[in-house]
Amino acid sequence: AQKVTQAQTEISVVEKEDVTLDCVYETRDTTYYLFWYKQPPSGELVFLIRRNSFDEQNEISGRYSWNFQKSTSSFNFTITASQVVDSAVYFCALSDFNQAGTALIFGKGTTLSVSS
Amino acid sequence: NAGVTQTPKFRVLKTGQSMTLLCAQDMNHEYMYWYRQDPGMGLRLIHYSVGEGTTAKGEVPDGYNVSRLKKQNFLLGLESAAPSQTSVYFCASSYSLEQFFGPGTRLTVL
Repeated sequence: AQKVTQAQTEISVVEKEDVTLDCVYETRDTTYYLFWYKQPPSGELVFLIRRNSFDEQNEISGRYSWNFQKSTSSFNFTITASQVVDSAVYFCALSDFNQAGTALIFGKGTTLSVSS
Repeated sequence: NAGVTQTPKFRVLKTGQSMTLLCAQDMNHEYMYWYRQDPGMGLRLIHYSVGEGTTAKGEVPDGYNVSRLKKQNFLLGLESAAPSQTSVYFCASSYSLEQFFGPGTRLTVL
């Protein structure tokens, strides 16, 4: 069965600290997609990144970076120099590459609190 | 281009009442989904549709029904609401692997 585990329920940091959110997934499929979404206090879901199982290159976007390691089935998300506006719930999710339109399987989320 | 919209945004029901949540998308997407979000549980799939006139059960379908009579609309019905259905409901649509989410509906069942 497919599964996404976000072991960190809550993380609290002080502004400018770096923080890494962990995501471990389980799937029997050889091709799949991984996602990260942000849910700020306003409640909407904001898409951050999609990564397919063939591409293990790390990605950096501003203060955000993602580390994908198939060998450990992990897709971790790092925020560098965190800011108060980064406070949100972050979800990691898994999809099936071969079935376009297949629903996402979400982890339970990590609540990040950044204080000034 | 409104994207994915959900109606209503908030609703309070009494146990046993029925209601329908409407999801509409203007992106001509084939695929639509209903999820529920509960504290500490992430989002879980209720039902989904891969095209007009077709629906299928997701992970937590009990107590809900859906219909996709028009491509742009996906309705979620609660025939007899229960307190366990208190949740935030998200609709999403997609044309491939990226899902576009609506703003959510917060439902409370007393």
